[in-house]
Amino acid sequence: DTGVSQDPRHKITKRGQNVTFRCDPISEHNRLYWYRQTLGQGPEFLTYFQNEAQLEKSRLLSDRFSAERPKGSFSTLEIQRTEQGDSAMYLCASSSRDPVNVNEQFFGPGTRLTVL
Amino acid sequence: DAKTTQPNSMESNEEEPVHLPCNHSTISGTDYIHWYRQLPSQGPEYVIHGLTSNVNNRMASLAIAEDRKSSTLILHRATLRDAAVYYCILRAPFNAGNNRKLIWGLGTSLAVNP
Repeated sequence: DTGVSQDPRHKITKRGQNVTFRCDPISEHNRLYWYRQTLGQGPEFLTYFQNEAQLEKSRLLSDRFSAERPKGSFSTLEIQRTEQGDSAMYLCASSSRDPVNVNEQFFGPGTRLTVL
Repeated sequence: DAKTTQPNSMESNEEEPVHLPCNHSTISGTDYIHWYRQLPSQGPEYVIHGLTSNVNNRMASLAIAEDRKSSTLILHRATLRDAAVYYCILRAPFNAGNNRKLIWGLGTSLAVNP
């Protein structure tokens, strides 16, 4: 399978713990996005990378959240001192630099976080 | 960011066409209209996008009103696998760094009856 993969698929943690999620985009996709989705809502944009550079962060991304894409390939999203309000599906998407397909974002299956 | 308005839910019968409407009266001249869908327990999936002209691809057709204040996603023959939440999204021309972030609404939940 050459689609976007995310790990883990599910994470249950206790309030106050740190968690880290990983996203592997489609090979050679240089653009990577993180979104968060709560039940019954559409996804909300969190952050955007072009290659290894983080070019935009949403105001939703508090200081407890940090994202990296160190080599311009996979990305990690870390949440420190988790709160119950962080419970959501965290979605990763990537897109190509190819002008024909650049407008299409390919999504992974998501990581569902539950904070107890 | 310009917003979209979609019906909360719609219902269709299998093998019949489905027309999913979207209102975007505050659209700017450079906003693109994107449609994605999300099947249960899956990440969203790109369906189609357009700017001014109607568009067709293997999945669907997109009909854009002349004034661009509304659009309609057309599934020509609904199948049970088309049951999903369909999102109509307006995307501004890319920001610095070619950022094509998507601003999502609540979408339309489509049920397909056998």
